Amino acid sequence: GQNIDQPTEMTATEGAIVQINCTYQTSGFNGLFWYQQHAGEAPTFLSYNVLDGLEEKGRFSSFLSRSKGYSYLLLKELQMKDSASYLCAVSDSNYQLIWGAGTKLIIKP
Amino acid sequence: DVKVTQSSRYLVKRTGEKVFLECVQDMDHENMFWYRQDPGLGLRLIYFSYDVKMKEKGDIPEGYSVSREKKERFSLILESASTNQTSMYLCASRLQGGGTQYFGPGTRLLVL
Repeated sequence: GQNIDQPTEMTATEGAIVQINCTYQTSGFNGLFWYQQHAGEAPTFLSYNVLDGLEEKGRFSSFLSRSKGYSYLLLKELQMKDSASYLCAVSDSNYQLIWGAGTKLIIKP
Repeated sequence: DVKVTQSSRYLVKRTGEKVFLECVQDMDHENMFWYRQDPGLGLRLIYFSYDVKMKEKGDIPEGYSVSREKKERFSLILESASTNQTSMYLCASRLQGGGTQYFGPGTRLLVL
């Protein structure tokens, strides 16, 4: 079957760095997405990886290893507004997204 | 900027009522999707549409139907609402062939 795993909840301190991991097993692979979702709001796109390696976008970076079925989202210089859920999703062989349950990130001052 | 709008942010309905949720996108996207989101679960695909008049079942289509008469509008219909359909409903759209999905603000539906 198809499966996306990510931690349910993480806590970090304002100004610090946090890494949110995602492992996947899917039928086919056409890229991996990270979305941010604030409570009660819609998911918003953060990053897309289709090739192995690190993609950096400001304070946020995303890494992919296709051979290991593994990705992580790295958030630097954490701010209180980064408190949100982070969703990992894999595009399968039919270009449909398979979603993880999301990681709730709590930022403490 | 892509804009996806949904007809209601909050909705309260009675068991057995017919419920219509509407989604409109303004970026001429071919593909549109309806998901539901429940605590502790990932987004689950209800139905999707590749283009006008086309529809495909997702992972959990039971109890739902859809309509796509115009390219910009994708409607989700609960034929006879039940309490287990209480959920957050999210609409998304994207260009044909994959790529980023853009989401509407969501409709939080409560069925009593």
